[in-house]
Amino acid sequence: AQKVTQAQTEISVVEKEDVTLDCVYETRDTTYYLFWYKQPPSGELVFLIRRNSFDEQNEISGRYSWNFQKSTSSFNFTITASQVVDSAVYFCALSEDPASGGSYIPTFGRGTSLIVHP
Amino acid sequence: DVKVTQSSRYLVKRTGEKVFLECVQDMDHENMFWYRQDPGLGLRLIYFSYDVKMKEKGDIPEGYSVSREKKERFSLILESASTNQTSMYLCASSIRDRAEQYFGPGTRLTVT
Repeated sequence: AQKVTQAQTEISVVEKEDVTLDCVYETRDTTYYLFWYKQPPSGELVFLIRRNSFDEQNEISGRYSWNFQKSTSSFNFTITASQVVDSAVYFCALSEDPASGGSYIPTFGRGTSLIVHP
Repeated sequence: DVKVTQSSRYLVKRTGEKVFLECVQDMDHENMFWYRQDPGLGLRLIYFSYDVKMKEKGDIPEGYSVSREKKERFSLILESASTNQTSMYLCASSIRDRAEQYFGPGTRLTVT
């Protein structure tokens, strides 16, 4: 069975601080995918990134960066120089490899609520 | 851009009413999903569908049913709404062999 743990229920920071959201996962699959979603107060979950288990390169997109470490089964998300607009609930998710016959239904973590104060 | 729309952002219904939540996606995705989201419980999968007229139970199907008569539309039905079905309902879709999902804006349902 797959499991995703986001141990941080809520994080509060002041604008311009860097913040890292932790995600730890469990899976027996050798091929799998990891995701991050953002849910702003408006309610719609927005897909941010997908990584496959064979690609451990860190990824940077503007102020966002993701650190995937297979050795620790973690896929952490860092926001640099946080802004008030980053305030949202962030979900980490894990899925099997659908192209290899695995389920295409992701397992979601329970989310981390990030509050950025001005 | 993928667009998933839901029929209502906010809905208030009375106990015992039949409730229809509609979801439409415009990207020809094969898979569609209904989740409910409650504080502290995260996202829980109610039903999903991988093709027209096909449906599969998720983790919490009790008290719900679904309908998928057309590829782009997936309806969630509460046959007799109860107060414990007060929640945020999220619809999502995905391409057949991809797991990343695209979500609608959600419907916040209150049952009184």
